[in-house]
Amino acid sequence: DTAVSQTPKYLVTQMGNDKSIKCEQNLGHDTMYWYKQDSKKFLKIMFSYNNKELIINETVPNRFSPKSPDKAHLNLHINSLELGDSAVYFCASSQAADTQYFGPGTRLTVL
Amino acid sequence: GQNIDQPTEMTATEGAIVQINCTYQTSGFNGLFWYQQHAGEAPTFLSYNVLDGLEEKGRFSSFLSRSKGYSYLLLKELQMKDSASYLCAVRVGGDYKLSFGAGTTVTVRA
Repeated sequence: DTAVSQTPKYLVTQMGNDKSIKCEQNLGHDTMYWYKQDSKKFLKIMFSYNNKELIINETVPNRFSPKSPDKAHLNLHINSLELGDSAVYFCASSQAADTQYFGPGTRLTVL
Repeated sequence: GQNIDQPTEMTATEGAIVQINCTYQTSGFNGLFWYQQHAGEAPTFLSYNVLDGLEEKGRFSSFLSRSKGYSYLLLKELQMKDSASYLCAVRVGGDYKLSFGAGTTVTVRA
C-alpha cells in the first residue's frame, strides 16, 4: 500500500547514456513533482505537473524531460547523462498546493 | 527567490529538548513546512504553519512569526530515532513550489 513509489531505487550508468525514472502515486492527488537532492542534501524542485499539465519548470537542462501519462504517474527521462547529474531524485505528490508526500528516492550514479 | 536559513548541525542528549530555527526572506509568504529526513530515506511531513503561533503534535511543536520571518521546530523528550535531518520549506503565494532550506542535521547522543 505504498503511497508514492519510484523505480528504480538505484541506477548506475555511464556518462552519455539515456535513462528513465518512473514514479507512481496511489493517493488520488492531482499534482506531482520531481526534486533533485545533491551531495550537500539540498532539495531543489525541478518540475511539477497538475492534472497532466506542466506548471513548474525550473532552470533545468533540456536533457531532462518529464512526462505525465496520467495524474497518477510522472516519469523523468534524462538524455546524455553527465557526471553532475549524480544525485538522489525524489518524486512527490500533493492535492493542489497542499502538503507534499515524497517517494523513497532514486539514487543515480553516473560514472 | 527565497532566502531560507537554518543551522547546519545540532547535537543533543537523549531525553533533552532541541530547538531548530529557520529564518526566511520572501514576499507573498503562504505557509511553512517542516520535514524530517533520515539518512538514505525520503523526507516525511512533520508540520505546517501558515498563521502565527504554535502548533503542537505530540513531542514535536512548530512555531511561526510571519512579521519576523521566523519559525522553529521544537523536539521534546529526544529519542535516538530522532537523529535525522530536519528541513524547513516555504511556500509563496498560490505557488505549488516549495523552497527548501539546506536542512539541519540533529544527532542525538545517549
